Amino acid sequence: GDSVTQMEGPVTLSEEAFLTINCTYTATGYPSLFWYVQYPGEGLQLLLKATKADDKGSNKGFEATYRKETTSFHLEKGSVQVSDSAVYFCALSPRSGGYQKVTFGTGTKLQVIP
Amino acid sequence: EAGVAQSPRYKIIEKRQSVAFWCNPISGHATLYWYQQILGQGPKLLIQFQNNGVVDDSQLPKDRFSAERLKGVDSTLKIQPAKLEDSAVYLCASSYPDRGTLHFGNGTRLTVT
Repeated sequence: GDSVTQMEGPVTLSEEAFLTINCTYTATGYPSLFWYVQYPGEGLQLLLKATKADDKGSNKGFEATYRKETTSFHLEKGSVQVSDSAVYFCALSPRSGGYQKVTFGTGTKLQVIP
Repeated sequence: EAGVAQSPRYKIIEKRQSVAFWCNPISGHATLYWYQQILGQGPKLLIQFQNNGVVDDSQLPKDRFSAERLKGVDSTLKIQPAKLEDSAVYLCASSYPDRGTLHFGNGTRLTVT
């Protein structure tokens, strides 16, 4: 079945450091790929997405590129802020069928220190 | 637009008791999901509705969990009887049926003692 593998956390960075959170996936066909973020005490919210190979999703300074050849969707940000401290989830949704089943990774906790 | 509403926010019960959670999705979202998120893990899909019909409940422990979505809008998830391992955050999400972007509520944190 479909699955998502993320790098384990927690990841601790100093403010203004470069961030990479790795994500690889296993799926049949060409799924849509997502990054969701969960701030403390809140539900998940969509950060960015990409729906086809070589697409780049971006939002709030975060970017991720859909790499079909390496089945990856790594999250990057050039300069993190304390307010970016949260748990980040990589997810996929298959294209086939009329109903979207979204499969999540285990999440990577990011802590940014001043 | 108003977001996904869930209640209660927190619930503490003893094992073998029953509990129910309520979810009101975003208006117009035909697809509704219930996820279980155990501490330190990613959300696991329990059940997915399309309008008031079940699309996927393959990971729902049907001997103790039940869910319904009457009239294709609000939904309730029930656990009876609860076990210690049911301690988790229960997340409700909704979406348009042909898109993968989910909108989540803030969740209900359940503690079973």
